[in-house]
Amino acid sequence: TQLLEQSPQFLSIQEGENLTVYCNSSSVFSSLQWYRQEPGEGPVLLVTVVTGGEVKKLKRLTFQFGDARKDSSLHITAAQPGDTGLYLCAGATSGSRLTFGEGTQLTVNP
Amino acid sequence: DTEVTQTPKHLVMGMTNKKSLKCEQHMGHRAMYWYKQKAKKPPELMFVYSYEKLSINESVPSRFSPECPNSSLLNLHLHALQPEDSALYLCASSQPGRYYNEQFFGPGTRLTVL
Repeated sequence: TQLLEQSPQFLSIQEGENLTVYCNSSSVFSSLQWYRQEPGEGPVLLVTVVTGGEVKKLKRLTFQFGDARKDSSLHITAAQPGDTGLYLCAGATSGSRLTFGEGTQLTVNP
Repeated sequence: DTEVTQTPKHLVMGMTNKKSLKCEQHMGHRAMYWYKQKAKKPPELMFVYSYEKLSINESVPSRFSPECPNSSLLNLHLHALQPEDSALYLCASSQPGRYYNEQFFGPGTRLTVL
């Protein structure tokens, strides 16, 4: 069984602060997706990383895929209240299944 | 158009009712998924259809019955549900055969079973 450990589980910060969310596994993934989900809505795909060592930037969000493709991180610079939500990482191997992390509930206070 | 739509947005049903959830995608994807999600937890896979054929059933109780009428539509028929089945039901789609299995989710149906 593949596991994807996501940390921290909860994060409450002030507007303007920086933060990093981690996803770690002992398994190798062919790709890793990051999603953000707001209450009562479906997860929205933020990024897909596929190459070991890959770094992708999306405005204030920086995503990194580990060299061995077993771990990933999401770094947010100067967080804003609009960044509040549940952040999910999900790893893909062969086949149709995604392995989800448990999620990070982020609250950015004004 | 990278959108997956789901109807209804909200559904309240009694334990003896029969209802259906609907999902549609126009991205030309040939894999579609049903997930169940409880509050503040990750989605749990229920069913996968690939090229309109059921390829994965994650031991879901028979009171949930999926149907894939064509490549862009996915239904979930509900009958004799229990209160613990109350959850957000999510549909997703992807293009099979790609090694990176990028899934796109719909907005979900919030189901309440009384």
